[in-house]
Amino acid sequence: AQKVTQAQTEISVVEKEDVTLDCVYETRDTTYYLFWYKQPPSGELVFLIRRNSFDEQNEISGRYSWNFQKSTSSFNFTITASQVVDSAVYFCALSEESYGGATNKLIFGTGTLLAVQP
Amino acid sequence: NAGVTQTPKFQVLKTGQSMTLQCAQDMNHEYMSWYRQDPGMGLRLIHYSVGAGITDQGEVPNGYNVSRSTTEDFPLRLLSAAPSQTSVYFCASRGASDYGYTFGSGTRLTVV
Repeated sequence: AQKVTQAQTEISVVEKEDVTLDCVYETRDTTYYLFWYKQPPSGELVFLIRRNSFDEQNEISGRYSWNFQKSTSSFNFTITASQVVDSAVYFCALSEESYGGATNKLIFGTGTLLAVQP
Repeated sequence: NAGVTQTPKFQVLKTGQSMTLQCAQDMNHEYMSWYRQDPGMGLRLIHYSVGAGITDQGEVPNGYNVSRSTTEDFPLRLLSAAPSQTSVYFCASRGASDYGYTFGSGTRLTVV
């Protein structure tokens, strides 16, 4: 069965600190997709990144970076020089491949609440 | 371009009542899904659709029905509301070539 574990329920940092959000996944599929979503206090879900199982190259987007390691089944998310606007719940999610490559079912972790203090 | 529109934003139901949560997208997306979000449990998939006329069950389908008569609309029906269905409901859609799902703003449902 597929499963996503975000062991960190809450993290509190002071502005400008770096912070890493952990995500560990389980799947028997050889082809799968991993996602990160952000849910700010306003409640909407914002797509941040998708990575497929064949691409272990790390990704950097501004202050955000993602470290995908198949050997440890992890897809960790680092925010560099955190800001108050980064305060949100962050969800890691996993999806299998089906229907010719479409990713139709997301399995979410329980989320990590990040609080960035000024 | 409105994206994914969910109505209503808030709803209070009495146990046993039925209602339909509406979801519409104007992006011509093939894939649509319904999730519920409960404290400490993340989001769980209720039902999903890969195109008009095609639906399937997700992780927690009991007590909910869906249909997909058009590409744009994917309503979620609660047949007989129960307090356990108190939750925030999110609808999401994705085009075949898109990387991620676009989520609606959610419907907060309370069943008393």
